[in-house]
Amino acid sequence: GAVVSQHPSRVICKSGTSVKIECRSLDFQATTMFWYRQFPKKSLMLMATSNEGSKATYEQGVEKDKFLINHASLTLSTLTVTSAHPEDSSFYICSARSGTPNTEAFFGQGTRLTVV
Amino acid sequence: AQKVTQAQTEISVVEKEDVTLDCVYETRDTTYYLFWYKQPPSGELVFLIRRNSFDEQNEISGRYSWNFQKSTSSFNFTITASQVVDSAVYFCALSDLNAGNNRKLIWGLGTSLAVNP
Repeated sequence: GAVVSQHPSRVICKSGTSVKIECRSLDFQATTMFWYRQFPKKSLMLMATSNEGSKATYEQGVEKDKFLINHASLTLSTLTVTSAHPEDSSFYICSARSGTPNTEAFFGQGTRLTVV
Repeated sequence: AQKVTQAQTEISVVEKEDVTLDCVYETRDTTYYLFWYKQPPSGELVFLIRRNSFDEQNEISGRYSWNFQKSTSSFNFTITASQVVDSAVYFCALSDLNAGNNRKLIWGLGTSLAVNP
């Protein structure tokens, strides 16, 4: 399958700082990228959907000013957690899809964020 | 509303046993897609299968097989002769056709499978 690379895999940051997570599609052009958050032993919660060159569409309840998403190219999307707090600690996963909406999405390795 | 139910939260089997993971979905769409993903302890989600609503043929891929039954709105996943490496959380998901190009996946809560030696 297609490869999606997410970086970093783990990050620890101090409360109040910002953290940027990158998601790259390595061997295909990702017209759409998705950002998820996953709490321990829980399912995936979609945070936002982004199309290249457009503003991200956020799910209800997700603060767009806190979770900044940029999809500047067909191979790169970034999620910036601004002014992080301990409650933002979680596992963040990106996925990318090319072509039609019916195609499967491929997932990055995930980023374990710990805010101390 | 669209919904995916994975009633089995956790399953524990002994190696070489067969195991079936259940997935029941709800949708008003006539055309939809169903998926299974595997999430091993490392965290990365691995795509296993996509099935569209018009294709009710069962599928077999090695030790994995899927049984799609539209009459019961189920898309069950069976692992034959399970191995320790199959230990993971398995998610069933349904595509949301109403979201246009930003089609989203509706996720089940996952089934945690532990295969013991």
